[in-house]
Amino acid sequence: DAGITQSPRYKITETGRQVTLMCHQTWSHSYMFWYRQDLGHGLRLIYYSAAADITDKGEVPDGYVVSRSKTENFPLTLESATRSQTSVYFCASSDSAIETEAFFGQGTRLTVV
Amino acid sequence: RKEVEQDPGPFNVPEGATVAFNCTYSNSASQSFFWYRQDCRKEPKLLMSVYSSGNEDGRFTAQLNRASQYISLLIRDSKLSDSATYLCVVNGGAAGNKLTFGGGTRVLVKP
Repeated sequence: DAGITQSPRYKITETGRQVTLMCHQTWSHSYMFWYRQDLGHGLRLIYYSAAADITDKGEVPDGYVVSRSKTENFPLTLESATRSQTSVYFCASSDSAIETEAFFGQGTRLTVV
Repeated sequence: RKEVEQDPGPFNVPEGATVAFNCTYSNSASQSFFWYRQDCRKEPKLLMSVYSSGNEDGRFTAQLNRASQYISLLIRDSKLSDSATYLCVVNGGAAGNKLTFGGGTRVLVKP
């Protein structure tokens, strides 16, 4: 199916563990983004990527690692999960034009215990 | 100061009434502007783009004021289904192509 999908949808992990959130899009959009949304707050940009092998930090990158070896995939890794990283994570993609909309995945609800 | 600021609300709106709210942005070089809608922490979805001349989509009207650096959204004849959080989004300028979100304005339409 065309679109943008995230996996897993729900994840519970322990403090200190490494966890990877997956994001896959089928449109060949050049841009991909990772946001986190904490209860009662808007979306904050973690990392983004303008193309394969090009990534850049957003507003809150500490504790996260990304890679983009293929245009369609943009995994987000929490190297050593902390409770403060409990959040809903949204992946998005858009084409290169600044005027175009971004499309979001359904989100991953991550709980760090 | 946040790059994009919104009144969090909630705006409690009687069904059928009109509600309007603004969003201010700090980067004067921003190039594109959007309103997204988000329901119950589901994924945000584009409601409408905001153009310099203002634009309307059914009951929704968006305006951009570059001089004062704010955008607005007006909802006429509010429906119960309009209850949601409305996210102001700014893109472009020195920040490049990375959408910057406001904190959202919550709207509750009541019978």
